[in-house]
Amino acid sequence: GAVVSQHPSWVICKSGTSVKIECRSLDFQATTMFWYRQFPKQSLMLMATSNEGSKATYEQGVEKDKFLINHASLTLSTLTVTSAHPEDSSFYICSALTDRGMRYEQYFGPGTRLTVT
Amino acid sequence: DQQVKQNSPSLSVQEGRISILNCDYTNSMFDYFLWYKKYPAEGPTFLISISSIKDKNEDGRFTVFLNKSAKHLSLHIVPSQPGDSAVYFCAASALGGNKLTFGTGTQLKVEL
Repeated sequence: GAVVSQHPSWVICKSGTSVKIECRSLDFQATTMFWYRQFPKQSLMLMATSNEGSKATYEQGVEKDKFLINHASLTLSTLTVTSAHPEDSSFYICSALTDRGMRYEQYFGPGTRLTVT
Repeated sequence: DQQVKQNSPSLSVQEGRISILNCDYTNSMFDYFLWYKKYPAEGPTFLISISSIKDKNEDGRFTVFLNKSAKHLSLHIVPSQPGDSAVYFCAASALGGNKLTFGTGTQLKVEL
């Protein structure tokens, strides 16, 4: 149980275009999902908290107009990188929050490699 | 401001021996700590966690120790196996919250 998928697993796009990444919880419902990015050999940095039915909460320094998050259902959150630039090239990982009894736990998707040329 | 630090970027251990991965934190509000294993181009996989009310938690070959006064935790893997080779991240969350702050990771290599 607690499987999270991401689509696509990798994507190459041209500078100036927009890219949408999907995050799905396959066997559970998640009112809260998180979006992270990871640069090579660096830590996972939390970008935003995605809440079903409400606006996402962005971490300091993350441009909300550039990284659009939509959490339209209890099993799907999307991250759209708008007007992508080469510096947006990164590994994007989502996680979904689920109640494990004593505590909520995050289950992570496999990640999406974005390359902007 | 890196609130969770893993000062060893890499560690090499022989198969069958113990692997000890260390993690330090600065935020005294953190009360829940987790260890994740990550392969390249994949998402992190949860390994083991510990609440601040405990100083040790064990699950099979994995044991996490927490020293609150030193703001230090460690993950012990014994015996180490080649399949344990991966990047290990420690993470922490603060009282009542679900947001995780990750460390910088330690690349573990278990050699035959």
